Amino acid sequence: ETGVTQTPRHLVMGMTNKKSLKCEQHLGHNAMYWYKQSAKKPLELMFVYSLEERVENNSVPSRFSPECPNSSHLFLHLHTLQPEDSALYLCASSQERSDYGYTFGSGTRLTVV
Amino acid sequence: AQSVSQHNHHVILSEAASLELGCNYSYGGTVNLFWYVQYPGQHLQLLLKYFSGDPLVKGIKGFEAEFIKSKFSFNLRKPSVQWSDTAEYFCALRGVGDDKIIFGKGTRLHILP
Repeated sequence: ETGVTQTPRHLVMGMTNKKSLKCEQHLGHNAMYWYKQSAKKPLELMFVYSLEERVENNSVPSRFSPECPNSSHLFLHLHTLQPEDSALYLCASSQERSDYGYTFGSGTRLTVV
Repeated sequence: AQSVSQHNHHVILSEAASLELGCNYSYGGTVNLFWYVQYPGQHLQLLLKYFSGDPLVKGIKGFEAEFIKSKFSFNLRKPSVQWSDTAEYFCALRGVGDDKIIFGKGTRLHILP
């Protein structure tokens, strides 16, 4: 365990479904991130939350909707996804302005059918 | 534009061979540099990082990396690889004062026993 827990580990959903990915960190960090990891592409930053406020949205389609109710929890709400959205979705946390990089969760493997 | 380039997408070596994975970056300012590793079925974890000072940094499991500012490079090295080093390796940068980390596409390393 890394201190960042993601659930579920695997998710298969239809294009008309609505689902949510959950991320929880137990490290006392104050920043959380969603990344998308697709084959043969760099890790793509999707959203950044700092002190529970969204500070960055990297031109992510509106079918992805993040929510950060507190500094320990981060959600990614999914609706009407496309097959090309199938990927590994990684959550990470960090302490802002620190000397450390991120701590990553194990990811949610999403398949859109 | 901010970017990280990893030249080798897939590297195959025999045990005890020496390893060097290339990483070049583009960023208009001072950077912190990272190498992350993802073992099969596991989460991304920090291998080593450079913030300032000695440009030769040592990480876990015998890995090291050298920051060459004039070449915008941060290559990863290991003198003698082991089968357990089979993994995907990601080079990454973060601009000083920024919180988001930009990743390269990754290099998949396969060590033959």
